[in-house]
Amino acid sequence: GAVVSQHPSRVICKSGTSVKIECRSLDFQATTMFWYRQFPKQSLMLMATSNEGSKATYEQGVEKDKFLINHASLTLSTLTVTSAHPEDSSFYICSASSVAGEGYEQYFGPGTRLTVT
Amino acid sequence: GNSVTQMEGPVTLSEEAFLTINCTYTATGYPSLFWYVQYPGEGLQLLLKATKADDKGSNKGFEATYRKETTSFHLEKGSVQVSDSAVYFCALSIKAAGNKLTFGGGTRVLVKP
Repeated sequence: GAVVSQHPSRVICKSGTSVKIECRSLDFQATTMFWYRQFPKQSLMLMATSNEGSKATYEQGVEKDKFLINHASLTLSTLTVTSAHPEDSSFYICSASSVAGEGYEQYFGPGTRLTVT
Repeated sequence: GNSVTQMEGPVTLSEEAFLTINCTYTATGYPSLFWYVQYPGEGLQLLLKATKADDKGSNKGFEATYRKETTSFHLEKGSVQVSDSAVYFCALSIKAAGNKLTFGGGTRVLVKP
């Protein structure tokens, strides 16, 4: 149980175009989803937290107009990188959570590698 | 604020060697502690967790004990295998802070046959 998928796993796009990444919880309802960015050989940087049906909360320094997050249902959140540039190339990872209690877990997707040319 | 500090890698070991990865934390509040593992090209998998002081998390031969007095959560394995080669992340979350995870920098472990 507690499987999270991401699609696509890899994407290459041209500079100036937009790319959408999907994150799905396959066997549970995710009230909260998180989006992370990971640079090579570095740790994960939280970009934003999204709760189903409400606007995402972005971390300081993350451009909300560039990284559009939608959490329209309890099993799907999307991250759209708008007008992508080479510096947006990175590994994007989502996680999902459904338990609001002590020591609750985030279940991570396999990640999406974005390359902007 | 909250932070997690873990030993820098890479850590290179021979098969069947003993592995320790140190992790210490600072937190405003009472955190839950986690170890995640990331295999090459993949997302993160939860390895083990502990939610209160003196709890011991264990999984796949790995163990870590929540030490509140030393604010530590060191990861150990008695006999590593080549398949344990991965990056290991220590992390904490606090319910009052929305359960957001704060990660350490990660420690790359390479086990040689």
